[in-house]
Amino acid sequence: DAGVTQSPTHLIKTRGQQVTLRCSPKSGHDTVSWYQQALGQGPQFIFQYYEEEERQRGNFPDRFSGHQFPNYSSELNVNALLLGDSALYLCASSGQESSPLHFGNGTRLTVT
Amino acid sequence: QQQVKQSPQSLIVQKGGISIINCAYENTAFDYFPWYQQFPGKGPALLIAIRPDVSEKKEGRFTISFNKSAKQFSLHIMDSQPGDSATYFCAASGRYSSASKIIFGSGTRLSIRP
Repeated sequence: DAGVTQSPTHLIKTRGQQVTLRCSPKSGHDTVSWYQQALGQGPQFIFQYYEEEERQRGNFPDRFSGHQFPNYSSELNVNALLLGDSALYLCASSGQESSPLHFGNGTRLTVT
Repeated sequence: QQQVKQSPQSLIVQKGGISIINCAYENTAFDYFPWYQQFPGKGPALLIAIRPDVSEKKEGRFTISFNKSAKQFSLHIMDSQPGDSATYFCAASGRYSSASKIIFGSGTRLSIRP
């Protein structure tokens, strides 16, 4: 049973560019959340998708957007990249109402 | 504004000793308190979680102690082993639901000396 898978594992972009990160949830899960983890810090909630809609959003600018597809997979898009966007981006999925989050291993984004 | 404060930032414990990590929260609406373990190059993995209607929860060598009045909770790792060396995050959520965002502490890097 595959867990949460994310691609790519590493990515290097230049300031001002745009990036798309991808996530496939654990089998049987229908809710996808995205987190940003800066080096040496705890993950910070970006947003959550359920039934292809953004259900909750953290304190991130509109440059951060997402999408969920009918097969529950999800994308995170970041426009106009800043140096401060360099971080590990984690995708987490969950299923039934009280099920715990399962995290992927993340995408390491470096903005130069 | 940081809503979950975690200490210490780093911790070194001898093999077989007890590792203790402390957290405090501000928002009394939180009602789910999980702990996550993260190894280098991996995503966080749920270790143990507690709800505020109990004061303690134990799973194997891992115990959460919860003090609702003080708004504090802690993780105790008994008989600490080198394989426990990882970064630990306490966290809190508004309700015990997959729909709720989770607020993480800043993490504790734990090293167990053999």
